[in-house]
Amino acid sequence: EMVMTQSPATLSVSPGERATLSCRASQSVSSNLAWYQQKPGQAPRLLIYGASTRATGVPARFSGSGSGTEFTLTISSLQSEDFAVYYCQQYYNWWTFGQGTKVEIK
Amino acid sequence: QVQLQESGPGLVKPSQTLSLTCTVSGGSISSGSYFWTWLRQPAGKGLEWIGTIYTSGSTNYSPSLKSRVTISVDASKNQFSLKLSSVTAADTAVYYCAGGNFLVVVAATLTWFDPWGHGTLVTVSS
Repeated sequence: EMVMTQSPATLSVSPGERATLSCRASQSVSSNLAWYQQKPGQAPRLLIYGASTRATGVPARFSGSGSGTEFTLTISSLQSEDFAVYYCQQYYNWWTFGQGTKVEIK
Repeated sequence: QVQLQESGPGLVKPSQTLSLTCTVSGGSISSGSYFWTWLRQPAGKGLEWIGTIYTSGSTNYSPSLKSRVTISVDASKNQFSLKLSSVTAADTAVYYCAGGNFLVVVAATLTWFDPWGHGTLVTVSS
């Protein structure tokens, strides 16, 4: 079974600082990796697909990289609206998500 | 743009069948632009894919839920539905419907979920 592991579980960052979130797959998923942002009480919002392509309307401060089993989501300069939980999602035989990284205000 | 809205009972008794409907607006469910998916999220936990139905009518279900899940489409109403049988308290969650996207690139077919419905909380309790 494909397992997605996100780290860290919680990331404490000051506004304006850079945040780097990691996602590791137990087997290679090529570039079939997406990132979502979820705020309390809201549905997930697509940020990145294909490991590095920003979805429509997503600010340029969000970037994705990686392939195979190691992926990274970088937020270059955190804004107040970026504090949320971030999930990675892969497709192998079916879809699975990481357990999430909570980005909180330091 | 395409929007999704979940509907259905918020409370289901143990051992009964959970039934939810997702209404698609802003586009035809049969257009082939999306495949249609159900996901869920227990309180304070991560996201779980439940199953998917394609324009062809074929389905894919999570191996852990496959014996209890049925997803179907009613094109005349622009809706797709989820049925989950023999529910227990472990099935209590916010249930989301979503449109799945795909893109064929060299050596891979990329997939992702967008748009999403707002989600509906289903509690399993007597």
